Amino acid sequence: AQSVTQLDSQVPVFEEAPVELRCNYSSSVSVYLFWYVQYPNQGLQLLLKYLSGSTLVESINGFEAEFNKSQTSFHLRKPSVHISDTAEYFCAVRGFSGGYNKLIFGAGTRLAVHP
Amino acid sequence: SAVISQKPSRDICQRGTSLTIQCQVDSQVTMMFWYRQQPGQSLTLIATANQGSEATYESGFVIDKFPISRPNLTFSTLTVSNMSPEDSSIYLCSAASSQNTGELFFGEGSRLTVL
Repeated sequence: AQSVTQLDSQVPVFEEAPVELRCNYSSSVSVYLFWYVQYPNQGLQLLLKYLSGSTLVESINGFEAEFNKSQTSFHLRKPSVHISDTAEYFCAVRGFSGGYNKLIFGAGTRLAVHP
Repeated sequence: SAVISQKPSRDICQRGTSLTIQCQVDSQVTMMFWYRQQPGQSLTLIATANQGSEATYESGFVIDKFPISRPNLTFSTLTVSNMSPEDSSIYLCSAASSQNTGELFFGEGSRLTVL
C-alpha cells in the first residue's frame, strides 16, 4: 500500500518570493508521483508528474518538482510566485505492481500568496 | 488528455432523498473513478466504475449507499442514496486512459449540500 504526507497544511508567502511545498510518500513498490492544483471552486488540474527518466520535472507555469528516491520525497518548488498561484496543492502517488493501482492523495497544502 | 463533464455542478438536497450525478468523458477511457472531497479535506476514492459490471468499492463505501453505473466507455453515474448532512461534499469523477500509466483527469466536481 502507498501513503502520502504533505508536511504543511498552509503556506503563506509574499508575491515574487520562492516557495517549497513538501511531499513525502511511502510505498513497498515503485511509484508514479503527481502534483495536482485546485483553484477556488474548481476541479483538480494536473500540474506535473514523474513517471520515469529525469528526476526533475517541470510545469508550464514555472513550478518544478524533484523525485528523490532515497528520501522518498517529491517536493514542489517555484522560484517566484504570483498572486494567481493561490490555490490548494495535492501531492499524489500511484504504485505499480501489476493490475490496477489506485491514486492516493495527500491532505493538501493551501498556498496563499500575499501582495 | 480527456475532458470530463459532470452534472449537476451543485445542488441542495433534502435529507432522505437521493441524487444521481452524471459524468461524461469526451473520449473512450479505460478506467473511471468516483472520489469524494469533504469540506476542507483531501480526496477519498469511493469506487472504481467498471464497464458492464458492478463497481469496485473502497473500504467504508457500499453499493447500497453509492450505487454506480458505467454502461459504456465514456459515461458513468454515481447516486448518493438516502442523503444525510454528512454526505455534503464535492463528488468528483475522474478517468484514466490506461490501466497503470499516466495521470487521472478530473471533472470540476458536483458540490452537494444536504439540509
